[in-house]
Amino acid sequence: NAGVMQNPRHLVRRRGQEARLRCSPMKGHSHVYWYRQLPEEGLKFMVYLQKENIIDESGMPKERFSAEFPKEGPSILRIQQVVRGDSAAYFCASSPPAKNIQYFGAGTRLSVL
Amino acid sequence: SQELEQSPQSLIVQEGKNLTINCTSSKTLYGLYWYKQKYGEGLIFLMMLQKGGEEKSHEKITAKLDEKKQQSSLHITASQPSHAGIYLCGADINGQNFVFGPGTRLSVLP
Repeated sequence: NAGVMQNPRHLVRRRGQEARLRCSPMKGHSHVYWYRQLPEEGLKFMVYLQKENIIDESGMPKERFSAEFPKEGPSILRIQQVVRGDSAAYFCASSPPAKNIQYFGAGTRLSVL
Repeated sequence: SQELEQSPQSLIVQEGKNLTINCTSSKTLYGLYWYKQKYGEGLIFLMMLQKGGEEKSHEKITAKLDEKKQQSSLHITASQPSHAGIYLCGADINGQNFVFGPGTRLSVLP
């Protein structure tokens, strides 16, 4: 049973470009969470999704960031017009029912030049 | 301010020594989770505690949740270099979205 898969592991973008981060949850998991970890800082919750629904996006910046979890395919975290401050590690986690143990992927490290 | 506080911020111990990491909240915790993160990698789930007074052990790691469900401790017995990493507590506070503590960085000297 494969774990949570995130790709790419590393992503380099120039300022103003778009970044797309993908997350495939564990088999049987229908809930996905995205977190951001800035250098030397803790994990910050961004968004919680179920298939085709955003449940809680209270941690998402109001502009440039969006997330989706379609009926088919991985969850996508999209960052438009990236800025240097977006450089961070972005982690995805999945769980079966809500509020259960979250299993994490290895993360995507975004570097904005 | 942090909803979850962890202490100490960092810890350096000699191999074979015992150590304790604490996680504290001013609010009731509806589920307390301990994770370990190796540098540059994702989080590995260690243990989940839900009931006041609950205690769980796995290999040389023991986690406890106090009766009031506002404080948890993680205790490592006879530490080894493989225990090195960042330990994070996470919690579902008041049924709202999940939050993490700032982490405790553990180094174990051989």
